[in-house]
Amino acid sequence: DTGVSQDPRHKITKRGQNVTFRCDPISEHNRLYWYRQTLGQGPEFLTYFQNEAQLEKSRLLSDRFSAERPKGSFSTLEIQRTEQGDSAMYLCASRNSGASDTQYFGPGTRLTVL
Amino acid sequence: KNEVEQSPQNLTAQEGEFITINCSYSVGISALHWLQQHPGGGIVSLFMLSSGKKKHGRLIATINIQEKHSSLHITASHPRDSAVYICAAPRSGGGADGLTFGKGTHLIIQP
Repeated sequence: DTGVSQDPRHKITKRGQNVTFRCDPISEHNRLYWYRQTLGQGPEFLTYFQNEAQLEKSRLLSDRFSAERPKGSFSTLEIQRTEQGDSAMYLCASRNSGASDTQYFGPGTRLTVL
Repeated sequence: KNEVEQSPQNLTAQEGEFITINCSYSVGISALHWLQQHPGGGIVSLFMLSSGKKKHGRLIATINIQEKHSSLHITASHPRDSAVYICAAPRSGGGADGLTFGKGTHLIIQP
């Protein structure tokens, strides 16, 4: 257990439905990252936050994706009108920008869009 | 943008063998990460190194900053070492935050 938790661990949904994932980082970590990993590939960067501010979004994040970190603690990633291509593992990681660069990863949320 | 390449993509070995996984990256970096991913998705950070060599148990990681190359070694491999090993580097060599990852090396250690 790295101290980063994600919920749910698995989500199966039908195409066109909205889904929301949650990440709870290590409490003192001010930076939080979202990555997406498709089968057989390494993770890809999606977005990251410093406290509640979303500092960067990848071009991989279409308009159907939105991420928030309202109080600088937990974060949510919402996908609207899901498509089969959204099926992937969504990983969250956190670190403290004032300390080591090591990121601590959560267990991931595996999304399957039918 | 930093490009990270790993080799081999798949590796099957017998218990006890010495394992080497290689990683190269395109943009100069401050540190490189080695990660381990078990079936089910959880990723664990093994090493973050910026120079020389680090050792943790049977795992050894080395990096050559000038050649933009790193290796992960496993001595006296064991079936429980079976996992995907991923190297990762800062996305743009010091600018934007976050990591860029290799595709991973799928390691199977047979008893």
